[in-house]
Amino acid sequence: GQQLNQSPQSMFIQEGEDVSMNCTSSSIFNTWLWYKQDPGEGPVLLIALYKAGELTSNGRLTAQFGITRKDSFLNISASIPSDVGIYFCAGRRHYTGNQFYFGTGTSLTVIP
Amino acid sequence: GAGVSQSPSNKVTEKGKDVELRCDPISGHTALYWYRQSLGQGLEFLIYFQGNSAPDKSGLPSDRFSAERTGGSVSTLTIQRTQQEDSAVYLCASSLGTNTGELFFGEGSRLTVL
Repeated sequence: GQQLNQSPQSMFIQEGEDVSMNCTSSSIFNTWLWYKQDPGEGPVLLIALYKAGELTSNGRLTAQFGITRKDSFLNISASIPSDVGIYFCAGRRHYTGNQFYFGTGTSLTVIP
Repeated sequence: GAGVSQSPSNKVTEKGKDVELRCDPISGHTALYWYRQSLGQGLEFLIYFQGNSAPDKSGLPSDRFSAERTGGSVSTLTIQRTQQEDSAVYLCASSLGTNTGELFFGEGSRLTVL
């Protein structure tokens, strides 16, 4: 099935640093979602985006719905150890119903 | 509970056996999804139910996989004649099913086929 291109695949950063990751698709999407998954658990929703150009924050997290509708970005500011985990983007294609496609994930490691 | 509930949380089976995985979605959510996550991989779409509409089965990897949703609520994913490559975490998610419906996931069922 279709998967979104998510990058980077992994990141190792120092505590306090900012983090950026992105997701791209060859198709137009009408919804972008960002999730965090901790080991042994299901993904937990962080931010949802519904309009091209939309910029939404959730605490230290900020996500944007790209103007082209083919990409989205997630930024984490001032990272802390509990930010460790795998971050997934998910998108719903325009006009093709409610199926969500997921990115391949970005594994984040925060070094104290 | 208030969240998506999946059972069993862990299942170990022998190659060739059938397995059933259960998902109880959030009350009031009309849409239900099954995804598969292999070790260290992303989420692979399997099947999607929306209300009384015919399910979108386009992600099922083979005819050994099937799913049903009874009464618009609980869903069962069945894998027949399991193979070692079926080993993965099977995640269920539900949503309101509207244009702004976000997916809420259960904790998954980890399947190990020996």
